[in-house]
Amino acid sequence: DAKTTQPTSMDCAEGRAANLPCNHSTISGNEYVYWYRQIHSQGPQYIIHGLKNNETNEMASLIITEDRKSSTLILPHATLRDTAVYYCIVRVAIGTNAGKSTFGDGTTLTVKP
Amino acid sequence: GAVVSQHPSRVICKSGTSVKIECRSLDFQATTMFWYRQFPKQSLMLMATSNEGSKATYEQGVEKDKFLINHASLTLSTLTVTSAHPEDSSFYICSAREAGTGRGYTFGSGTRLTVV
Repeated sequence: DAKTTQPTSMDCAEGRAANLPCNHSTISGNEYVYWYRQIHSQGPQYIIHGLKNNETNEMASLIITEDRKSSTLILPHATLRDTAVYYCIVRVAIGTNAGKSTFGDGTTLTVKP
Repeated sequence: GAVVSQHPSRVICKSGTSVKIECRSLDFQATTMFWYRQFPKQSLMLMATSNEGSKATYEQGVEKDKFLINHASLTLSTLTVTSAHPEDSSFYICSAREAGTGRGYTFGSGTRLTVV
């Protein structure tokens, strides 16, 4: 898996957009960018993933740069329940190693009232 | 959506005993499941890949005789921590994916193991 770099922590005001960056400069052509989050003492929760196009779902948007070396997860209207550790992972989507996710330290997002 | 159930959520055991943790895919079949371990204030570390009907593949440094994995059906994988010691106390998490959905892997809610 390609190595990812994320800021250790970020704060966001409730109701505002939270923009979480991730650098993955060594990403390979067949590797996707996945985002998960982990609320304290729970299993990680899948948020979104993408290959090269921007993606949006009910939880968040994912913006991937044209050179694919970095991406940004956007939570459009952060709530207190979005306080969690957010992990950016790059890996292949199919094949034997598709599920082997290497988790870095992630970004601890704190949403404040 | 896909749901992965993990049981028990918490367990306390005495040093030297064995503990079994179950990971079930509730509404889909999973030929492959993954087991992770997470120590306090640390990230998740992959322990092993559980393959239905065959031997598990362990990551470097993980003792296969201590962490026994059985994946006997397409919906169930079990992790048995044998002869547990206090240093095995950790948060154990499994993950699985429903084939063909294109989504990321679904994680269980985790098992908090405390060895006393």
